Amino acid sequence: EAGVAQSPRYKIIEKRQSVAFWCNPISGHATLYWYQQILGQGPKLLIQFQNNGVVDDSQLPKDRFSAERLKGVDSTLKIQPAKLEDSAVYLCASRSLGDLKPKNYGYTFGSGTRLTVV
Amino acid sequence: GQQLNQSPQSMFIQEGEDVSMNCTSSSIFNTWLWYKQEPGEGPVLLIALYKAGELTSNGRLTAQFGITRKDSFLNISASIPSDVGIYFCAGQYTGGFKTIFGAGTRLFVKA
Repeated sequence: EAGVAQSPRYKIIEKRQSVAFWCNPISGHATLYWYQQILGQGPKLLIQFQNNGVVDDSQLPKDRFSAERLKGVDSTLKIQPAKLEDSAVYLCASRSLGDLKPKNYGYTFGSGTRLTVV
Repeated sequence: GQQLNQSPQSMFIQEGEDVSMNCTSSSIFNTWLWYKQEPGEGPVLLIALYKAGELTSNGRLTAQFGITRKDSFLNISASIPSDVGIYFCAGQYTGGFKTIFGAGTRLFVKA
């Protein structure tokens, strides 16, 4: 089974520029998550999709961050304009609702996109 | 907001030693998860715990779901160099499966 694909792996931008990240979840996984992981910290949820609908975006800084999952498969996360404190690894994860045998409530993460804002 | 306290922050051990790390929370969780993250990669699920008191093993790894549902621990026996990485605990609520991660325990193993 192919894993969660993310691109690009690395991105360096200047503050106030815009940037977009792409995620292709595991085939058939209905739930998709975007996490932000700042250096030295654990992942923090930004947004959760169920198919193409938003389930939880309470921690997404909506003045600058946006995300979409138009056809319930791929997703993009955008930052505009970027700030220095947005430097982090952005992780995409997916999970299948029907994956209950064996029970597995854990996510499968991609390798992430490392963003550096200078 | 919700917070998990994971300790220790880092550990430096000799190959062959046993390791223990834990996670506590002020919130009650329905599921506890333990992940390992290596440099340049996303976290990988090691063990999932689904009910209070549950003790689960995965090879040299053993994890327990605390009786109060507010804590969990992970033990690694007979550590080897490839155990090096960051270990994260995560507490999960039911419903939307919202998951909160700890700050991680950085494990260094000296051969």
